[in-house]
Amino acid sequence: GDSVTQMEGPVTLSEEAFLTINCTYTATGYPSLFWYVQYPGEGLQLLLKATKADDKGSNKGFEATYRKETTSFHLEKGSVQVSDSAVYFCALHTGNQFYFGTGTSLTVIP
Amino acid sequence: ETGVTQSPTHLIKTRGQQVTLRCSSQSGHNTVSWYQQALGQGPQFIFQYYREEENGRGNFPPRFSGLQFPNYSSELNVNALELDDSALYLCASSPVQGAMTGELFFGEGSRLTVL
Repeated sequence: GDSVTQMEGPVTLSEEAFLTINCTYTATGYPSLFWYVQYPGEGLQLLLKATKADDKGSNKGFEATYRKETTSFHLEKGSVQVSDSAVYFCALHTGNQFYFGTGTSLTVIP
Repeated sequence: ETGVTQSPTHLIKTRGQQVTLRCSSQSGHNTVSWYQQALGQGPQFIFQYYREEENGRGNFPPRFSGLQFPNYSSELNVNALELDDSALYLCASSPVQGAMTGELFFGEGSRLTVL
């Protein structure tokens, strides 16, 4: 069935380091792909999305490209900040079904 | 603009009991979906409601049921509670276009503990 697999955490980085969180998916149709973020004490919120192959989603310095050939949607940021510390969830939407990965906890230290 | 609000924030039940969780959708949003998030896991899709009808369901048994009201608020009901039902229950709303593309606006959740 459809599913999302994302990189296990936790991830700890120094401020200004480069971030990659890997996400791969399995889907029978043509899904839309998302990254959601959960900051401490807050609800999940949409970070970025891509609705078709080769689309690049971007927001707040984060980027992810929908790669159909590798069934991937890796999240990247060139220079992380302490305020980026959160849990990041890769998600897939197809039909009326939603699938989330298990989440990757990121801690950025000054 | 008021966001998605859920109640109660925390509750404790015993095995076999029934629970009702409530959700008020964000203003202008007519689609509501519910998720179960176990500790250390990602949200698992339970079901989605649009125009008071269920129009999508994940792999959850029938003892998980829901309602959507004319004002687009929603309830999640769980009967015959089991220990494994202990989790954070998330409600998300979206305008119908957002629901079609997966853009969801989440509440902060109701944490259910089953003893």
